[in-house]
Amino acid sequence: AQSVSQHNHHVILSEAASLELGCNYSYGGTVNLFWYVQYPGQHLQLLLKYFSGDPLVKGIKGFEAEFIKSKFSFNLRKPSVQWSDTAEYFCAVSLYGGSQGNLIFGKGTKLSVKP
Amino acid sequence: SQTIHQWPATLVQPVGSPLSLECTVEGTSNPNLYWYRQAAGRGLQLLFYSVGIGQISSEVPQNLSASRPQDRQFILSSKKLLLSDSGFYLCAWSLTGRYTFGSGTRLTVV
Repeated sequence: AQSVSQHNHHVILSEAASLELGCNYSYGGTVNLFWYVQYPGQHLQLLLKYFSGDPLVKGIKGFEAEFIKSKFSFNLRKPSVQWSDTAEYFCAVSLYGGSQGNLIFGKGTKLSVKP
Repeated sequence: SQTIHQWPATLVQPVGSPLSLECTVEGTSNPNLYWYRQAAGRGLQLLFYSVGIGQISSEVPQNLSASRPQDRQFILSSKKLLLSDSGFYLCAWSLTGRYTFGSGTRLTVV
């Protein structure tokens, strides 16, 4: 069965530190890739997505992610985090043409940024 | 603009009681609708999805059911709640691959 793995359950950083959250998926076919963020008490929001084209995707709030097909990875990065980035981050995959494009989520990574 | 409404925001129910969570979508027609659950320490798990009125697909066998009586209404139900039904339930809709999520319902079964 297809799955999404997020390697870090909880990441703690100081402000201005660089961030990289890992995401790997298991599926050999074409995928669409997403990163979602859930700030405390708020809706799940789309940070960025990859459907095709340039594998380096830029999203909102200075986030970016790189799709490396050979590694089945879609890691999220930010060069300098802020306290306001404290949130839970979810990687998700939808299988192109399969299951109505249903999203398969990773277990999430909680990011805590210390001021 | 498209919006999604989900209620209630929090719910505490005793074991064995029934459940009904409602989700409605505005500003779009014939969306795909989804119910996800996030249990403590786990990721978001797809429970049900619907591609049209009366069409429900279940991804995980469980104590819950879903119905779509109208194009923009999606209801999650249970006849008798279990402790293991506790969690955070999210409704979502999608159109052309773009997903929008509701604000969620935190259900605690006691």
